[in-house]
Formats: sequence, C-alpha cells, structure tokens
Amino acid sequence: LAKTTQPISMDSYEGQEVNITCSHNNIATNDYITWYQQFPSQGPRFIIQGYKTKVTNEVASLFIPADRKSSTLSLPRVSLSDTAVYYCLVGDRGTGFQKLVFGTGTRLLVSP
Amino acid sequence: EAGVTQFPSHSVIEKGQTVTLRCDPISGHDNLYWYRRVMGKEIKFLLHFVKESKQDESGMPNNRFLAERTGGTYSTLKVQPAELEDSGVYFCASRGGETEAFFGQGTRLTVV
Repeated sequence: LAKTTQPISMDSYEGQEVNITCSHNNIATNDYITWYQQFPSQGPRFIIQGYKTKVTNEVASLFIPADRKSSTLSLPRVSLSDTAVYYCLVGDRGTGFQKLVFGTGTRLLVSP
Repeated sequence: EAGVTQFPSHSVIEKGQTVTLRCDPISGHDNLYWYRRVMGKEIKFLLHFVKESKQDESGMPNNRFLAERTGGTYSTLKVQPAELEDSGVYFCASRGGETEAFFGQGTRLTVV
C-alpha cells in the first residue's frame, strides 16, 4: 500500500478556500486516492475519491495531476464546522481498500 | 438507512477484566472491519470480515483479542484479559462492494 504524506496541521478562516495536499510518490497503477474526514468523538467519514484529473462533489473537489504522485483536496468556503482531521488514503479499490491505512492526517482548524 | 452502530460508546474496566464490544454494520454490507486508535497514535487496522469469515486478521495485536461475526451480521470484539495498553477508541466500519467504508462512532475503552 502506498505511503502518504500530508501536513500535520493547517489553519484557515471562515469563508476561505482550503487546499490540503497529499504526497503519494509510490502510488500504483491500480490505486485510487480517497479522502476521509474525522470530527472529534466520531468515526472517519468518506469525503471524495478519485483516480486522475479532477473530481467534484457537493462537499469538495479533488485535483490529481497527470503523474498522480500527489493530490489536493479543496474545500470551498470553509466554515467552523469544517474543523476536523482530514486523511488521505491510497489503495486499490479491489484489494487495497480491504484494509484502509491511515496516516497522521491533517488537522484543519477554521477560525471565525 | 441506519448507519454503523457500536455498543457501548464508552467502557471503563479494570486491568484483567473482560470487555466485549459490539458492531452492527449497515444492513447488506458483507465487509466488516475493526480498527483502533490508541492514545496519540494513528488509526490502525485490526481485522476484516467478509460475511462470517475472517478475510484478514493481520492487525490483531495478540491472542487476548477475539473477533467473531456469527451469521455474517453483527460482530463482537472481545478483549480478555484487558491490559492498560488496550485503552483507546475502537472503530468498526462496513462496506458493500467497492463503495467507501462507513464508520461507526467508535467505542472508547479505558482500562484502569
């Protein structure tokens, strides 16, 4: 399973766009990139998943360059409720995701 | 649709006692996972069930931990006897097909 590296923490203010970048230099051809969000006292919650280029849903966008060695989670106009830990995971949807490997995650703090 | 539910939400036991955690996955999800986070550490995989069969139990720390999933529905994770280092938050997740994993709220276990 590919190892991921992401910033330990980030600070932002309400209404700003937040971009969290994750490095996964050893990503394999069959690997997908998935982001989870975790609030205190809750389990991780799926945000978005992608393989290449750009994926967008009602919550976030995921940008993946052509070499796929990194990815960027973009949260538009964050609010206080977006304060959470964000995890970047990489794995084959068929096999690697059988066992999610969580890193340290990025602790995002949104201030008024 | 009900999400993944875990019981109890909190448990405080003395060293040497036995504790049983329960997880009810989303109905119809064949895949059930147990994870845990001990103090200050990352979320770590414990094991994976496909229906009632253990697909991967490589993350189980030792033989004091016993997981079961009789009938392929709910699962239990028993710790016997509990040790201080078993304290942490135990998460259960379920997944259907190749969709994302859905996590429960977790059970916070404190061994004193």
